[in-house]
Amino acid sequence: EPEVTQTPSHQVTQMGQEVILRCVPISNHLYFYWYRQILGQKVEFLVSFYNNEISEKSEIFDDQFSVERPDGSNFTLKIRSTKLEDSAMYFCATDRDRNNQPQHFGDGTRLSIL
Amino acid sequence: KQEVTQIPAALSVPEGENLVLNCSFTDSAIYNLQWFRQDPGKGLTSLLLIQSSQREQTSGRLNASLDKSSGRSTLYIAASQPGDSATYLCAVSGNTGKLIFGQGTTLQVKP
Repeated sequence: EPEVTQTPSHQVTQMGQEVILRCVPISNHLYFYWYRQILGQKVEFLVSFYNNEISEKSEIFDDQFSVERPDGSNFTLKIRSTKLEDSAMYFCATDRDRNNQPQHFGDGTRLSIL
Repeated sequence: KQEVTQIPAALSVPEGENLVLNCSFTDSAIYNLQWFRQDPGKGLTSLLLIQSSQREQTSGRLNASLDKSSGRSTLYIAASQPGDSATYLCAVSGNTGKLIFGQGTTLQVKP
């Protein structure tokens, strides 16, 4: 069965540095999402992306965050200047039909900010 | 603002028991509800998706029900097995596709 692939699986970065998290969506999926899960807390929505545009973003997704699909395959989340509180698991999810099909999640990237 | 709550937070049962996990949501204007399984250090695996117009969905030993008007869903697991041990997450979506998650129920099935 096709999978959503995320790289790296673990990223350790100094506070203030930029990080880019990468996701390869399932090939015929059109809707892309990023979520994060701080240790011990709920999974939280960050942003949704469709047709090369942000569809919706949460309050968490401030000016430090950006997303893009640079080459038609990868879907990336960039954090410009990381903070300690950005430490979390970041999940990419994709689906083919926004409301009628389940979202498929990658295994996540564990981001640790020192 | 939509809030999703799952009860209980943790559950431990002997193998073979049937069990029910509960999920409630505050705003009944949802498009669908999904149940996910999360294993430690792993991503989320979709188990069942119930459209807002549906009452239940079944997959193998799993049955999920939805009562949209009362803001409740249950996940029924029949004849539980040690391999069912995981965290089970409930999530609802509106018309934008954004999922709003509960905090999960951590299930342990003892052999």
